[in-house]
Amino acid sequence: QAVVTQEPSFSVSPGGTVTLTCGLSSGSVSTSYYPSWYQQTPGQAPRTLIYSTNTRSSGVPDRFSGSILGNKAALTIAGAQADDESDYYCVLYMGSGIWVFGGGTKLTVL
Amino acid sequence: EVQLVESGGGLVKPGGSLRLSCAASGFTFSSYSMNWVRQAPGKGLEWVSSISSSTSYIYYADSVKGRFTISRDNAKNSLYLQMNSLRAEDTAVYYCARHSFSVDYFDYWGQGTLVTVSS
Repeated sequence: QAVVTQEPSFSVSPGGTVTLTCGLSSGSVSTSYYPSWYQQTPGQAPRTLIYSTNTRSSGVPDRFSGSILGNKAALTIAGAQADDESDYYCVLYMGSGIWVFGGGTKLTVL
Repeated sequence: EVQLVESGGGLVKPGGSLRLSCAASGFTFSSYSMNWVRQAPGKGLEWVSSISSSTSYIYYADSVKGRFTISRDNAKNSLYLQMNSLRAEDTAVYYCARHSFSVDYFDYWGQGTLVTVSS
């Protein structure tokens, strides 16, 4: 089964911009994998941020954007705020009904 | 308002069984595919299983295939996960997640129910 890779951790200064990525252990991520992104704070359920590579879920600020960068899916957070400090997960659709999550990125805002 | 409420979690011994439920409200349950996603303590999310709206299509992660069974009762607006031959590594919070109607992603999540497998 394919492995979906994410940076284990990242830090960003308040007001700064950060780009988190979502790759494949072998191969390139494309829109055909329907990459989506979820934000999770401790003890809470995941919250949907981005789907179909670059579509923001309802109510998600436009500071959050999704894209394909090179051979990976990417989540960019502009103007980072303290409450953006969370875990971020991507998930890819592998076909045949199978979904694979990345290991998640712990984002620190400091 | 879409609501997904999981129940049925608890402490079970290795080799034991447990049945999780997810009660759905605020949408036409019978029109949507549904999923179970789990999260072991301190770990990341793991997709477990999905079931199509009419139960025609059912899929499992390799880690649970042959041990877990997903089902649904559209008349009761409920999703289930029957978990057999439980192992310590099945210990996790189990989330029920709705599959978006027209686009491939998980659009709504429940709050989760904790399953602990320990002797």
